[in-house]
Amino acid sequence: GENVEQHPSTLSVQEGDSAVIKCTYSDSASNYFPWYKQELGKGPQLIIDIRSNVGEKKDQRIAVTLNKTAKHFSLHITETQPEDSAVYFCAASEGGADGLTFGKGTHLIIQP
Amino acid sequence: EAGVAQSPRYKIIEKRQSVAFWCNPISGHATLYWYQQILGQGPKLLIQFQNNGVVDDSQLPKDRFSAERLKGVDSTLKIQPAKLEDSAVYLCASSLGDTWGETQYFGPGTRLLVL
Repeated sequence: GENVEQHPSTLSVQEGDSAVIKCTYSDSASNYFPWYKQELGKGPQLIIDIRSNVGEKKDQRIAVTLNKTAKHFSLHITETQPEDSAVYFCAASEGGADGLTFGKGTHLIIQP
Repeated sequence: EAGVAQSPRYKIIEKRQSVAFWCNPISGHATLYWYQQILGQGPKLLIQFQNNGVVDDSQLPKDRFSAERLKGVDSTLKIQPAKLEDSAVYLCASSLGDTWGETQYFGPGTRLLVL
């Protein structure tokens, strides 16, 4: 089955700086890669996703890149703000209705 | 649009007791998922329904866990008997379940503590 590795487990950045979280996956059949943000005591919330026919996608301060050959994808957050502090999860699936395989998460801390 | 609803939000039981969780997905979503999230880890898929049929239950510990989705809407997940290692957050998610409706929307979860 699919295996998703996520790094780093904790990331501390100064407010206003950029943050990058990286994930690798093992199953070449995976073609849907969402990123979720989870705040304490809440369920995961989708922040951005990318499909394998696209190499990069951007939504305001958030961008995701995908390298299918190398089987890795990354989340980029620019101009970080205190409200960006949370746990971020990458995930992968074959798409459609398939269940997601998640990474172990990155605790992002924004230092004032 | 109302989100995914789950209840209860918290549950504390003793080992060997039974417990049940309830989920109401977003209206019109054909696909429903139950995930288990152990502290410090990412969610792990337990079972997936398409309407009221099971699509994938390969990671469900069937000796103690069971789930059903009657009438293709609400779903219940049951643990009987519970073990200490079942302490986790149980997340329900739903999606339209087609190629362009892949987004899974998660509920707030039920936090289970087994003593």
